[in-house]
Amino acid sequence: GIQVEQSPPDLILQEGANSTLRCNFSDSVNNLQWFHQNPWGQLINLFYIPSGTKQNGRLSATTVATERYSLLYISSSQTTDSGVYFCALKNKLIFGTGTLLAVQP
Amino acid sequence: NAGVTQTPKFQVLKTGQSMTLQCAQDMNHEYMSWYRQDPGMGLRLIHYSVGAGITDQGEVPNGYNVSRSTTEDFPLRLLSAAPSQTSVYFCASSRTGLRTGELFFGEGSRLTVL
Repeated sequence: GIQVEQSPPDLILQEGANSTLRCNFSDSVNNLQWFHQNPWGQLINLFYIPSGTKQNGRLSATTVATERYSLLYISSSQTTDSGVYFCALKNKLIFGTGTLLAVQP
Repeated sequence: NAGVTQTPKFQVLKTGQSMTLQCAQDMNHEYMSWYRQDPGMGLRLIHYSVGAGITDQGEVPNGYNVSRSTTEDFPLRLLSAAPSQTSVYFCASSRTGLRTGELFFGEGSRLTVL
């Protein structure tokens, strides 16, 4: 079946640092979504990004569907960015295994 | 803005008991789905529905039943709970069908089966 791989599996940052999270998928897709699961377990929509680039404040995302990957950029990280970041392919109904991010003060 | 509402938020069951997790959305979304999340893992699809009267199985459907009698509601039933069903359950909905549209999640229901 389709594979969705996220990297890195975990990441520790100092507050203020930048980071890039990656989502690779093994099949063609026509949509992709990024979520943040906060330490309380809530799933928060970050981006619905089938292709191209979107930005929302300190976060931005790029999906290159033809090359089967998506990137999530976090700039000037804050402790509130901590949690797990998932990418999900809705047309295949599959979630990646996530990147666990810890931002230290 | 209620969005996607799940109840209960917490539940403890004994093996063999039955229960229903409720999910309701007030956004007139056609697509609704149930996922389970086990510790340290991503979400796995249990069942989904692309509209009232239509349901289908996901990746891990065994032990669960669903129905979609209205657009707003999509309950998940456990007929005979097992310890392996201890998990956090998330309901999600989106405006359009299976392949497009942004997913919106409820806050989750934490189930423990003893």
